[in-house]
Amino acid sequence: AQKITQTQPGMFVQEKEAVTLDCTYDTSDPSYGLFWYKQPSSGEMIFLIYQGSYDQQNATEGRYSLNFQKARKSANLVISASQLGDSAMYFCAMREGRYTGNQFYFGTGTSLTVIP
Amino acid sequence: NAGVTQTPKFRVLKTGQSMTLLCAQDMNHEYMYWYRQDPGMGLRLIHYSVGEGTTAKGEVPDGYNVSRLKKQNFLLGLESAAPSQTSVYFCASSSIRQPQHFGDGTRLSIL
Repeated sequence: AQKITQTQPGMFVQEKEAVTLDCTYDTSDPSYGLFWYKQPSSGEMIFLIYQGSYDQQNATEGRYSLNFQKARKSANLVISASQLGDSAMYFCAMREGRYTGNQFYFGTGTSLTVIP
Repeated sequence: NAGVTQTPKFRVLKTGQSMTLLCAQDMNHEYMYWYRQDPGMGLRLIHYSVGEGTTAKGEVPDGYNVSRLKKQNFLLGLESAAPSQTSVYFCASSSIRQPQHFGDGTRLSIL
């Protein structure tokens, strides 16, 4: 089974609108972390936001927030007030507990295009 | 403020040639990783290391070897390159429970 599933290959959003990028995960480890990365067309991987499995509140970083629904095993990224510079690939990733070598699993990504 | 540095940035090889990709990090991270990125497939883990002198196989290890002789360096080797290994290769490092820091990638083409 896939550890991380991103079901939206491509998304479009109007500038200044909010957008939600979906991510579901699969693990039986009680201790895990969820991450979102942005990859612009220039190719570098940029860390955006982190959510730990024991965190009670949803993580927020500026215009990014992570909608963490533990029972549904989902960790959706919400980008508020979209900007043209948000156009990029977005990857969801999961790190399982320390006893698995700190491995990270990545989804296949969502390509976001912000329309002026 | 280098972070994770990958060399080279681009390389073209002929089938059957060998080469080594170098990854260096200056953040004293225990964990280092090599990924390949292919269109529509996200990042797939090739090999990783949990500390100096240790390596382990990831999801797609065949055709690659790695070494971590020094904590700051993680080398990825292709002994006999094949066209299927044409990809963009990323190195990353992290400490426990922290996000990964990525290098800028190496674009490798094998003819």
